[in-house]
Amino acid sequence: EVQLVQSGAEVKKPGEALKISCKGSPYSFTNYWIAWVRQVPGKGLEWVGIIYPGDSDTRYSPSFQGHVTISADKSIDTAYLEWSSLKASDSGIFYCARRNSGFFPLDYWGQGTLVTVSS
Amino acid sequence: EIVLTQSPDTLSLSPGERATVSCRASQSVSSSFLAWYQQKPGQAPRLLIFGVSSRATGIPDRFSGSGSGTDFTLTISRLEPEDFAVYYCQQYINSPVTFGQGTKLEIK
Repeated sequence: EVQLVQSGAEVKKPGEALKISCKGSPYSFTNYWIAWVRQVPGKGLEWVGIIYPGDSDTRYSPSFQGHVTISADKSIDTAYLEWSSLKASDSGIFYCARRNSGFFPLDYWGQGTLVTVSS
Repeated sequence: EIVLTQSPDTLSLSPGERATVSCRASQSVSSSFLAWYQQKPGQAPRLLIFGVSSRATGIPDRFSGSGSGTDFTLTISRLEPEDFAVYYCQQYINSPVTFGQGTKLEIK
């Protein structure tokens, strides 16, 4: 069965950098998009952005554009979400999820990575 | 950006009852690219319904979706104990993709 396995919880200070990961298996990683979705604990779901590992085509939500970087390494079937300088407001649970090419919903989700940014 | 507004925020029902959750869009969701997800505490969301009314793989037929344009509905015909969770609608045709704020279905 399709699995997306995410890296573990992180505790960081404001201003620090961070890169979290999402590894997909066992499917053709380069033929599906990987999206990132944020959830502040106890709150709703926010779209961060999405990447197509086949050619690294990347789209960002305006709310996150310029503050995060989404990338992928297709040689190891892994997508990443990265911050160069964290803020306390970046805290939350970050989920990766798979989407087929075209207009499709998110059919498989990772288990989530909790990011806590606190001084 | 398409804003999705769900109602009610919280729905209190008993097992065996029928649940109806509404999702209203700020503009028409063209080609019916609307989905519903279920999220239980401590878990990732799970896809229930896509294309307004198609059930995802393994989803029981007590879950159904309907609607068009700007008004959509998720119906659970007879609630089972495992159905008490938070439900989100999502439109995936316009960029950015957006979600409703969620509806918590709790046991009465």
